[in-house]
Amino acid sequence: DQQVKQNSPSLSVQEGRISILNCDYTNSMFDYFLWYKKYPAEGPTFLISISSIKDKNEDGRFTVFLNKSAKHLSLHIVPSQPGDSAVYFCAAGDSGAGSYQLTFGKGTKLSVIP
Amino acid sequence: DADVTQTPRNRITKTGKRIMLECSQTKGHDRMYWYRQDPGLGLRLIYYSFDVKDINKGEISDGYSVSRQAQAKFSLSLESAIPNQTALYFCATSDRTAGTDTQYFGPGTRLTVL
Repeated sequence: DQQVKQNSPSLSVQEGRISILNCDYTNSMFDYFLWYKKYPAEGPTFLISISSIKDKNEDGRFTVFLNKSAKHLSLHIVPSQPGDSAVYFCAAGDSGAGSYQLTFGKGTKLSVIP
Repeated sequence: DADVTQTPRNRITKTGKRIMLECSQTKGHDRMYWYRQDPGLGLRLIYYSFDVKDINKGEISDGYSVSRQAQAKFSLSLESAIPNQTALYFCATSDRTAGTDTQYFGPGTRLTVL
């Protein structure tokens, strides 16, 4: 049973346009969410996070939106740059569980076309 | 210097061999994790440790063991490697902050079991 789903395995976007990566979750106990970026031959790099008390968090070109009622979050990258081409993982955690485990989605490969 | 290092970066071994993957961190974090990544399956948690005396099984611990030799070192062992343990292995660390538990990853070890 996949608790964190990234239904789009890949996404292609023109340079300068907006990239929107989506993530859905099923566990209503998740109360914080993170996005990681991964380049080939490197480990995942933390990008941005959001807790369930917020519905938006912004950091430069990256914005994460959280819709708790729909159990959906999205990462917006504006404007997209070729260096953003990578695999993006959505992750979720339950701060009340005490285990500090993160559950990851399968990832979405973003290609930004120059 | 990298905050989270993993050795070796690549390893090819044969079925039945014992393998140890090592992870060291200079971030001063108390929590450490081992994940594996398989194509199309995202990151799955193998083991995690909150301190030297606290080791916990993750989602897929069968066939693996770990040792937390010090706060900065966390090793993963495959006692008798099998081909379906061929994967990318990542170590991660975290230091819980308010609201989120951001994990920081090492560069990964590519393990091939023939």
